[in-house]
Amino acid sequence: GAVVSQHPSWVICKSGTSVKIECRSLDFQATTMFWYRQFPKQSLMLMATSNEGSKATYEQGVEKDKFLINHASLTLSTLTVTSAHPEDSSFYICSASRGTSLSEQFFGPGTRLTVL
Amino acid sequence: EDQVTQSPEALRLQEGESSSLNCSYTVSGLRGLFWYRQDPGKGPEFLFTLYSAGEEKEKERLKATLTKKESFLHITAPKPEDSATYLCAVLRGSQGNLIFGKGTKLSVKP
Repeated sequence: GAVVSQHPSWVICKSGTSVKIECRSLDFQATTMFWYRQFPKQSLMLMATSNEGSKATYEQGVEKDKFLINHASLTLSTLTVTSAHPEDSSFYICSASRGTSLSEQFFGPGTRLTVL
Repeated sequence: EDQVTQSPEALRLQEGESSSLNCSYTVSGLRGLFWYRQDPGKGPEFLFTLYSAGEEKEKERLKATLTKKESFLHITAPKPEDSATYLCAVLRGSQGNLIFGKGTKLSVKP
C-alpha cells in the first residue's frame, strides 16, 4: 500500500507555456502533500506544502504566482508551472502523508520538466 | 540554520566490500531522521526512520544508526543492486518539512 503516482513522468515544453503536473495517492487519502524540486547532483528542495481544501504554504524564495498548487481532493494535488522558462527545467517530485503522521511521507516517481 | 551534510559525495565499492555513509545534521529539535534510496530518474524510496540517539534499524544488508549529531548507514557485503544514491533527511517543525542532504552516490562493482 501507500503508492503515489505522478503524471506526466516527463514533459518538454516551449518557453512561455504553462505545464501542469499531477500527483495522486492511489490507495490512501493524503491529508498533506509536498512538492519538491531537484536539480542535478543537488538535494531535494521543498517548494510548498499543501493541505486539502486550503491554500498551499510556500517556502521562502518560491514564487507562488509562478508555481500554482491546487489540492482539491484527498487524493490529488496539482502543480502548474506558469510561463515556464529554461531555468525552471528540473525534476519535480511530490510526496504525500496520510493520517496525522506527517513524518510518514510517500514519494512519487517524479516528473522531468525540460523547457526549451 | 538547519542543515544536513552527507559524506562522501560518491563511493565506489567492490562487491562484498563493507563500508559506511555519513549524515551529519544541525537542526533545532530533531523530530526524526530518514534514510532514502533514490535510483536515477526515480523518486526516493523509504528505508529507515530514526527518532532518538542510540537507535538502530536494520534491513537486509543495511543498518542505520543515530547519534546526537550524525547518522551512519552501514552497508555490509554490498551487491551491485545496492548501487544508488542514498539520501538522508531530517524532519523539522510541525508541518512535516523534510530537509534533505545532497546524497551519497554508491556504486558497487561486481
